[in-house]
Amino acid sequence: AQSVTQPDIHITVSEGASLELRCNYSYGATPYLFWYVQSPGQGLQLLLKYFSGDTLVQGIKGFEAEFKRSQSSFNLRKPSVHWSDAAEYFCAVGSLLQAGTALIFGKGTTLSVSS
Amino acid sequence: DAGVTQSPTHLIKTRGQHVTLRCSPISGHKSVSWYQQVLGQGPQFIFQYYEKEERGRGNFPDRFSARQFPNYSSELNVNALLLGDSALYLCASSNSGTGPYNEQFFGPGTRLTVL
Repeated sequence: AQSVTQPDIHITVSEGASLELRCNYSYGATPYLFWYVQSPGQGLQLLLKYFSGDTLVQGIKGFEAEFKRSQSSFNLRKPSVHWSDAAEYFCAVGSLLQAGTALIFGKGTTLSVSS
Repeated sequence: DAGVTQSPTHLIKTRGQHVTLRCSPISGHKSVSWYQQVLGQGPQFIFQYYEKEERGRGNFPDRFSARQFPNYSSELNVNALLLGDSALYLCASSNSGTGPYNEQFFGPGTRLTVL
């Protein structure tokens, strides 16, 4: 069965420091991978996605992610974190249904930014 | 352009009652999906609709049902509410088909509390 694991429940990073959020997936075919961010009381906003091609993908707000098939990973990175990046981050894989698609999400990583 | 809208924002019900949640997709989007997000967890897929037809159903009991209207808006209905149904219910729309490559745009959600 398809699944997504985010090993880190909570991460605290100093403002200006680099960030890496881990994501491991289990999916039989070529995965469609996504990172979403959720601020308190808000819906989900797509940061970036990977379908094929270049394994390093760029997203919004200065985020990037690298797809590593051999490690079944899709880690999210940012070189310099801003206080406004504090939020919940979700990794997801698109799972093909008989006639549609479901996003399967990990449990999320809460990012806190310290000054 | 307006994003995905959901109503109501918050809702309090008691066990055994019925609830209807509403979603209006982004103009031009024909696919709507529903997700349940329990506190501290990632969203879990409930339904996907496209052109008024159900295209996918997650692992939820028959107390959960949905439909999509000719204007592509959607309703999620939950009967015989249980305490465990307390969650943030998210609606997402996408603009073409139901493939995993179609970006899903999420609304702010409806917070349901069951007492």
